[in-house]
Amino acid sequence: QQKVQQSPESLTVSEGAMASLNCTFSDGTSDNFRWYRQHSGKGLEVLVSIFSDGEKEEGRFTAHLNRASLHVSLHIREPQPSDSAVYLCAMRDRGSALGRLHFGAGTQLIVIP
Amino acid sequence: EAAVTQSPRNKVAVTGGKVTLSCNQTNNHNNMYWYRQDTGHGLRLIHYSYGAGSTEKGDIPDGYKASRPSQENFSLILELATPSQTSVYFCASGDLGAEVFFGKGTRLTVV
Repeated sequence: QQKVQQSPESLTVSEGAMASLNCTFSDGTSDNFRWYRQHSGKGLEVLVSIFSDGEKEEGRFTAHLNRASLHVSLHIREPQPSDSAVYLCAMRDRGSALGRLHFGAGTQLIVIP
Repeated sequence: EAAVTQSPRNKVAVTGGKVTLSCNQTNNHNNMYWYRQDTGHGLRLIHYSYGAGSTEKGDIPDGYKASRPSQENFSLILELATPSQTSVYFCASGDLGAEVFFGKGTRLTVV
């Protein structure tokens, strides 16, 4: 069973409308969650790292974490066509020196002008 | 600035051939990782290392070996490449409590 599940698989929004992406995790073993953006054929760009329940804002990107419901979301304010990309949610293991990341399968975001 | 450099960026290999993917980091991190990315799976961990001389199996190690000859370098080795190993491979470095940095990826095609 995958530790991290993302939804939706694909999302199309109009430029300027809010985009919301979701991620659920299978257990409470992590205290460290990130959202990455990956443009087609490119590497991973970290958008937001969040470590405690509540909200963390980085520019137009806001992450919400609720560990009790095993859920973290990403909201993109005023999305632009340049935000069209795959968005990956990741959780980092707690309690090991490795600190490995577990990734979701990704959400393909398309922003229409 | 923290950096992870992968080489080559693109590689076409023949079935049964040997492939070596290289990774260099200037972050002085102890931990390094090799992931592969396939549609519908996100990134999956192949091998990782805690430091020079150490390599450990990740979630999908079959068909892959790893080598960590120094703090800075971590290689992924496909002794007998197969078409199922066609993928995009990412190297990363990152100690617990520090950010994880990724390379730009290597696109491997096995024909």
